[in-house]
Amino acid sequence: GQNIDQPTEMTATEGAIVQINCTYQTSGFNGLFWYQQHAGEAPTFLSYNVLDGLEEKGRFSSFLSRSKGYSYLLLKELQMKDSASYLCAVMEYGNKLVFGAGTILRVKS
Amino acid sequence: DVKVTQSSRYLVKRTGEKVFLECVQDMDHENMFWYRQDPGLGLRLIYFSYDVKMKEKGDIPEGYSVSREKKERFSLILESASTNQTSMYLCASSLPPLRGRASGYTFGSGTRLTVV
Repeated sequence: GQNIDQPTEMTATEGAIVQINCTYQTSGFNGLFWYQQHAGEAPTFLSYNVLDGLEEKGRFSSFLSRSKGYSYLLLKELQMKDSASYLCAVMEYGNKLVFGAGTILRVKS
Repeated sequence: DVKVTQSSRYLVKRTGEKVFLECVQDMDHENMFWYRQDPGLGLRLIYFSYDVKMKEKGDIPEGYSVSREKKERFSLILESASTNQTSMYLCASSLPPLRGRASGYTFGSGTRLTVV
C-alpha cells in the first residue's frame, strides 16, 4: 500500500530555520519530490531527490534516506512569503506521483 | 512560458449533471494526470494517460471518466455529478522518465467545482 506522512501544520518565525519531515511507504520508488502550494494556486516544484543525501538550492534544501523511508525539506532564513503548504510526493514506477496530505507552514513576524 | 491551462477556475453544477473539465498543455508532454485535492487528504490521483487514446485508472476513479483524443488535451468527465465530488481538481503533465530520473509535474491552476 501507499502511506506518506508529514505534519499537518507548523509555525515558525521570520528569519528562522524550519525542517518539514516526511516518511513514506510505497509500492515503488523512483524519487521523492517536494512542492510548494500557496493558497488557491497550483503546486510548484521545489526539489527532487532520487539518491540518498542532501540537495541544496538556495534557501531550500532537501534530504533523502531511502533505507529509512525518510525525507525532510529545510527552509532557511524564513520569509513571510514562505507561508504555504508543502507537499511531499513519491514517484512510483510508471511515473505516478503519490502525495502526502501536505504541511501548512505559517511564518510569523 | 510553458503552461498547463484548465478551462475554468470556478464551476457550480447541479447534482446529476454531466460535467466536463478541460485541460490543455503546450509542452508536448506525453503524460497527463487528473487529481482532486481535499483538505486533510492531499492530492489523490483519479486518472492518468501516457499517450493519446490511452487511459489508466488512478486511486479513486469511481464516478469519473476521461478522454484524450489529442496529445495536448486531457478531459475529465463527471458522468452524473454528486455533492461528494465537490472539490478542487488539478490537472498536471510531465515527460516520461529519462535515464532513470523522473520528470516533475507541471500543474494547472485548478478548477474549484461545487456540486449543489
